[in-house]
Amino acid sequence: VQLVESGGGLVQPGGSLRLSCAASGFTFSSYGMHWVRQAPGKGLEWVAVIWYDGSHKYYADSVKGRFTISRDNVKNTLYLQMNSLRGDDTAVYYCATDQDYAFDNWGQGALVTVSS
Amino acid sequence: SSELTQDPAVSVALGQTVRITCQGDSLRRYYASWYQQKPGQAPVLVIYGKNNRPSGIPDRFSGSSSGNTASLTITGAQAEDEADYYCNSRDSSGDLYVFGTGTKVTVL
Repeated sequence: VQLVESGGGLVQPGGSLRLSCAASGFTFSSYGMHWVRQAPGKGLEWVAVIWYDGSHKYYADSVKGRFTISRDNVKNTLYLQMNSLRGDDTAVYYCATDQDYAFDNWGQGALVTVSS
Repeated sequence: SSELTQDPAVSVALGQTVRITCQGDSLRRYYASWYQQKPGQAPVLVIYGKNNRPSGIPDRFSGSSSGNTASLTITGAQAEDEADYYCNSRDSSGDLYVFGTGTKVTVL
């Protein structure tokens, strides 16, 4: 199993960014997927989940209405569209597979820095 | 939304046993999962479900639950077990997830 995040970087407050998570080594279309983030020096925060077929999506209150999780089961890729970014969105963002309501495989993370 | 509370830090002598706890109302209904994170690395799942270990996780790691408290026990702690540990569970709605506040484990 391999998960590789990309798309992180520096963005100004109020700006947008789209993260991607390329999956390989397993049947991507059979698994729910999560985004989890970790602000510098802080703990883990769950961000969003999408079901295996994309039929259901759920978000943490802190990002609801600003972030959108999506997936392309043909390209084996997970996405996180982040709009109206704020300073407290600065974090390393991880994608992770879902296994029985746990996060069993993680990517290496993508750093998103929101700053002027 | 639900909250999961952990002790900020615990220490254990090499080879001894340490228990890390996680408290929250949602744990009365849902199992916790546990993650080990070492500095600069992505988290690693160590326990999920009732007491399941992913492939490659040593059997010195075990999980249990009672009432609103879930526990991760390391029996015979090794130097490489020094890390931050986080619990996670679904919230009361069953659709959202929440992480615990994290526990730093020091092996003396």
